[in-house]
Amino acid sequence: QKEVEQDPGPLSVPEGAIVSLNCTYSNSAFQYFMWYRQYSRKGPELLMYTYSSGNKEDGRFTAQVDKSSKYISLFIRDSQPSDSATYLCAMSALGSGTYKYIFGTGTRLKVLA
Amino acid sequence: GAVVSQHPSRVICKSGTSVKIECRSLDFQATTMFWYRQFPKQSLMLMATSNEGSKATYEQGVEKDKFLINHASLTLSTLTVTSAHPEDSSFYICSLQGPYNEQFFGPGTRLTVL
Repeated sequence: QKEVEQDPGPLSVPEGAIVSLNCTYSNSAFQYFMWYRQYSRKGPELLMYTYSSGNKEDGRFTAQVDKSSKYISLFIRDSQPSDSATYLCAMSALGSGTYKYIFGTGTRLKVLA
Repeated sequence: GAVVSQHPSRVICKSGTSVKIECRSLDFQATTMFWYRQFPKQSLMLMATSNEGSKATYEQGVEKDKFLINHASLTLSTLTVTSAHPEDSSFYICSLQGPYNEQFFGPGTRLTVL
């Protein structure tokens, strides 16, 4: 079983839709949870960062963490064509004095105008 | 968040030559930086973790002598691909560990080896 599972998509939605992106994980030691957006041929851009269960909102983005279910989500409201990109979840845990990071494989999102 | 730059953004070289990629933290002193490679439509593959002033820690399967990493200061890490071959062609991305253990990524360097 992979440490992090993320549906690769592609996920196609009409402009204005609410998008839900999800990841599940198996290691309960993960403490920090991140969502990145990556456009083609660019480096990933940090969108959201959380460290506790619950919701965190930033503009059109809401990150949700459920540690009991080992499940994280990113919601995008009023999606725009410019949101079309690959979204990567990531999580980290402290181990042997350093932080270990695990990235999901990414979900490709297409927002259709 | 922290701003990370990479140079060059794109490089084309002949097989057998060495290529150096620079990763700079513009506004944050980064004790820990990371180097990834990414193939088209695939996820990030961690190559090594570099700590300022000490030797890099390489992931299993990554050749230390081929991918030389130097993290000489809190704002600069370099990756040198030695004796590059076509199979080394890839997208190389660096990142730094931020103050809350998040990662901030550079824009990436596309390496093409002919």
